[in-house]
Amino acid sequence: DAGITQSPRYKITETGRQVTLMCHQTWSHSYMFWYRQDLGHGLRLIYYSAAADITDKGEVPDGYVVSRSKTENFPLTLESATRSQTSVYFCASSERGADSGNTIYFGEGSWLTVV
Amino acid sequence: GQNIDQPTEMTATEGAIVQINCTYQTSGFNGLFWYQQHAGEAPTFLSYNVLDGLEEKGRFSSFLSRSKGYSYLLLKELQMKDSASYLCAVRDSNYQLIWGAGTKLIIKP
Repeated sequence: DAGITQSPRYKITETGRQVTLMCHQTWSHSYMFWYRQDLGHGLRLIYYSAAADITDKGEVPDGYVVSRSKTENFPLTLESATRSQTSVYFCASSERGADSGNTIYFGEGSWLTVV
Repeated sequence: GQNIDQPTEMTATEGAIVQINCTYQTSGFNGLFWYQQHAGEAPTFLSYNVLDGLEEKGRFSSFLSRSKGYSYLLLKELQMKDSASYLCAVRDSNYQLIWGAGTKLIIKP
C-alpha cells in the first residue's frame, strides 16, 4: 500500500531556477492538495484539484503552477524560485472534497531550500 | 478574517493528562479536525467533530462547542511517543480547511 508519495524529499536550488515537486497517489482519490508549512504558520493551501484537468487556487498560489493530467499525479512547479519559497511542501489527497468527516491524507513532505 | 488559535507549546509529564485548546473564528463551520504531526513527518488524522460534544477514541478524546467556537483535544495516560505537534483545522462554509499553527507538546519523564 504505497499511499501518497512525494519526490524529491529534499532539494536545494538557486534563486531563479525552476523546480518541480512530484506527488503520486495510489488510492484513486479525487481530490489532491498542495500545502506549504512554515514556522509560526498553519498549513497554507497553495493549489488543489477536484479531479483530473480541474485545478483551483488556494490561499497562496503566487509563484506556483500545477497540473493534473492524470488522477494519480499532481506536480507542483515553482517557475522561478525565490528565497521566500523555502519551506516544507506537503501533498495531500482525499476521497471526496466536501463530505463530512472526509479525511485528508498527507505525503511525507518535500523540504525545499532556495539559496 | 478567518482565524484558528492554539497555544504554541505545552509541557506535560508522562502518565498525566493534558488538554490542548483550539478556538476558531471562521466563515461558516463544516467540521473540525485534529491531526498529530511528529517532527519531520507528515500530519496524521486523529479525530473529527461536527456536532457538539465529546468524541472518545482510546487515550484521545476531542470536544466541540460550536456556539463558543471552541474545541479541545484531551490526551490521557501520556506516553513519550505523544511528543508531537497537534494541529487543529476547521472546514469553513466553502469546505476549505483552515489550519491552526499547531501546538507543540513536550512530554517529560
